[in-house]
Amino acid sequence: DGGITQSPKYLFRKEGQNVTLSCEQNLNHDAMYWYRQDPGQGLRLIYYSQIVNDFQKGDIAEGYSVSREKKESFPLTVTSAQKNPTAFYLCASSKGTGWGTEAFFGQGTRLTVV
Amino acid sequence: AQSVTQPDIHITVSEGASLELRCNYSYGATPYLFWYVQSPGQGLQLLLKYFSGDTLVQGIKGFEAEFKRSQSSFNLRKPSVHWSDAAEYFCAVGANNAGNMLTFGGGTRLMVKP
Repeated sequence: DGGITQSPKYLFRKEGQNVTLSCEQNLNHDAMYWYRQDPGQGLRLIYYSQIVNDFQKGDIAEGYSVSREKKESFPLTVTSAQKNPTAFYLCASSKGTGWGTEAFFGQGTRLTVV
Repeated sequence: AQSVTQPDIHITVSEGASLELRCNYSYGATPYLFWYVQSPGQGLQLLLKYFSGDTLVQGIKGFEAEFKRSQSSFNLRKPSVHWSDAAEYFCAVGANNAGNMLTFGGGTRLMVKP
């Protein structure tokens, strides 16, 4: 079955450490996205990528980095510069970059700083 | 830039009662509009979407939404709520911007009383 796989489901990080969240899709989608979700704040865009080897900052990119070396993969690194990384992270993809295309979401990764 | 407002953070309804979740958007042209549902700790699932044409849109799980341009609204409705509908609901707007990004509202958490 086609879909988006995020791993791990739960992740614990010590302060000062970098961690990488995995996102893989087998939908052959061109565009991929990372959102952060905090209670009562909806989803906020961190980074997005429209094509391999290219990505753009979203609304809250500070303290995060991404890469897009393969069409199916869009990993997110939460760096030690991110002051408040505890949140639920959602990866999404869409078929193209034409507007109105619906986004498909993974099951999320819950990151907790300990 | 586009924006989405969901005025109700929490709503509680009795099982079998009707439901209406409000969504107001701000966008200069005709938007593409979406409703997603999220169960606790899960990703987002698309309920329905509006692109053009008939302003009353049918979705999955018995949901429907009506686009009202004059009120800049896209309210979600269901005639009879089931206990399994308890979840968080997000309205989103897609616009003709680079990257085909969606802008999400803050979400409405629905609780269903037996």
